[in-house]
Amino acid sequence: QKEVEQNSGPLSVPEGAIASLNCTYSDRGSQSFFWYRQYSGKSPELIMSIYSNGDKEDGRFTAQLNKASQYVSLLIRDSQPSDSATYLCAVNPGRRALTFGSGTRLQVQP
Amino acid sequence: GAVVSQHPSRVICKSGTSVKIECRSLDFQATTMFWYRQFPKKSLMLMATSNEGSKATYEQGVEKDKFLINHASLTLSTLTVTSAHPEDSSFYICSAAPSGADYGYTFGSGTRLTVV
Repeated sequence: QKEVEQNSGPLSVPEGAIASLNCTYSDRGSQSFFWYRQYSGKSPELIMSIYSNGDKEDGRFTAQLNKASQYVSLLIRDSQPSDSATYLCAVNPGRRALTFGSGTRLQVQP
Repeated sequence: GAVVSQHPSRVICKSGTSVKIECRSLDFQATTMFWYRQFPKKSLMLMATSNEGSKATYEQGVEKDKFLINHASLTLSTLTVTSAHPEDSSFYICSAAPSGADYGYTFGSGTRLTVV
């Protein structure tokens, strides 16, 4: 079992819709969870962090964490074509270096 | 805040030569930096953890003699790919975060290495 699992996609949504990205992790001791956005040929950019169960909202982005289910998600409201990218879920299992999922490619259709 | 600068952004070198990549934290001190490599359409693979003033910690399967890491100051870590071969061609990215806090790490802009 991979430490951090994501559906590779592509996830295709129409412009203006809600995009829902999911991630599961295996290490129950993980305390910190992050979502990064990576455009093709570029390095990852941090867009959300979440540390406690529940929802955390920042603009059009909402991160959701459920530690009991070992599940993290990212919702993007009012999706724009500029949101088209690969979204990486990352988990800090307590050893400082982040563990990344393989990423979900999101395509927002104009 | 938490800006990480990486240089060069792109390098082409001949097989057998060495290439040095620099990673600098511009507005914070980083006792620890991380080096990743990424193949096309794949996720980031942690290569090593760079520790200021001490030896780097390499992940299993990463050749420490091939990928030399030096973290001589609190703001600079370097990765040298020695005797590069075409299979070393990849996207190398460093990351760091301010010490003493559990932040998501900031990434450098990455270095696209092509060995010909």
